[in-house]
Amino acid sequence: DIQMTQSPSTLSASLGDSVTLTCRASHSISGWLAWYQQRPGKAPKLLIYKASTLQGGVPSRFSGSGSDTDFTLTISSLQPDDFATYYCQQYKNYSRTFGQGTKVEIK
Amino acid sequence: QVQLEQSGAEVKKPGSSVRVSCKTAGDSFNKYSISWVRQAPGQGLEYMGRIVPALNIRNYAQPFQGRLRITADKSTTTAYMELSSLSFEDTAVYYCARDVSGSYFDFWGQGTLVTVS
Repeated sequence: DIQMTQSPSTLSASLGDSVTLTCRASHSISGWLAWYQQRPGKAPKLLIYKASTLQGGVPSRFSGSGSDTDFTLTISSLQPDDFATYYCQQYKNYSRTFGQGTKVEIK
Repeated sequence: QVQLEQSGAEVKKPGSSVRVSCKTAGDSFNKYSISWVRQAPGQGLEYMGRIVPALNIRNYAQPFQGRLRITADKSTTTAYMELSSLSFEDTAVYYCARDVSGSYFDFWGQGTLVTVS
């Protein structure tokens, strides 16, 4: 299986900050990567797919980049709803795997 | 808005089985796969497997092979996940999700808590 590693595990930031989350794959996955946001007690929500394509209805302050093994999710100007846990997920093959998550908390 | 409606919480004994349902709209059932993902308390997301209802094709993640069965009822556009030989480690919230051609998951059910106790 392809292992996904996210860093940092926890990120403390303030409202209005710009933050960057990192996801690294153990093998090349080209651009076959998605990002999800999960708020406490809720189901995950798709933010980005194919590394950089924004899902419909997702605010433009979210952006993704990367290819091969290294990917980033950037949130510009953090809003109250953005404090949540973010997961990356590879879909190079049918055995999809997720990263362990990055929790974005209020400083 | 696409909706996936899951069945309610379950409490099961070790060694038993659990079945969770996921009702979707017909369009989702005919054109997409349905996958299952679980999340143990305080942990991350774990992919379990999927079904392509239109073709009756299934794929199971290796950790679950042999005790996971995913089925689909086209008449009711409902998918089912049945996990057997439950242990305490299977306590988790189980999600169904619409699976875009074996890639990412664009809509999710609300989750079903399965407690093994």
